[in-house]
Amino acid sequence: DAKTTQPTSMDCAEGRAANLPCNHSTISGNEYVYWYRQIHSQGPQYIIHGLKNNETNEMASLIITEDRKSSTLILPHATLRDTAVYYCIVRVGNTGNQFYFGTGTSLTVIP
Amino acid sequence: AAGVIQSPRHLIKEKRETATLKCYPIPRHDTVYWYQQGPGQDPQFLISFYEKMQSDKGSIPDRFSAQQFSDYHSELNMSSLELGDSALYFCASRSLRDGRSSGNTIYFGEGSWLTVV
Repeated sequence: DAKTTQPTSMDCAEGRAANLPCNHSTISGNEYVYWYRQIHSQGPQYIIHGLKNNETNEMASLIITEDRKSSTLILPHATLRDTAVYYCIVRVGNTGNQFYFGTGTSLTVIP
Repeated sequence: AAGVIQSPRHLIKEKRETATLKCYPIPRHDTVYWYQQGPGQDPQFLISFYEKMQSDKGSIPDRFSAQQFSDYHSELNMSSLELGDSALYFCASRSLRDGRSSGNTIYFGEGSWLTVV
């Protein structure tokens, strides 16, 4: 699986958009980009995933660059409850059974 | 909707004892993953199973073993426990049988806290 690089920590003002970047320059053509978050010592929570097109759901938007070497998770209106560690993971969609966490981004939403 | 169920939620064991953690995947999910998360660390992949067969192995110590049963639940057995085994253990599940080609989502349980004293 491709490795990912994320900033260690970020702050965001409540109500503003939080943009969390992830570099995955060694991603293969059939590897998906997944985003999870972990609120203190709870089970990681699925947010969104994509292959090459931008994706949006009720929680967030995922913007993947055309060369697929990086992506950005966007939380459109951050709330205090969005304070968590956010993990960007790349893996083969339906075949690979390895799902490795890297070092995520600790996002703090500030009142 | 049903989620991944883990038991027990909390467990305290002494050094050199044995512990068993159980994981009940989401109904119709055929794949189970185990992770270990030490204090202040990121989740580390231990092992995964697909259709009751081990499919991938990560950083699982030789003192640990796991299996997936015919009803798809899984158990992680940890023997000769050490203080360093104190951690939060997560189980996750997904369905490989699902015919979608969009990349199956993996869902996590709330974890089992193991404290070794």
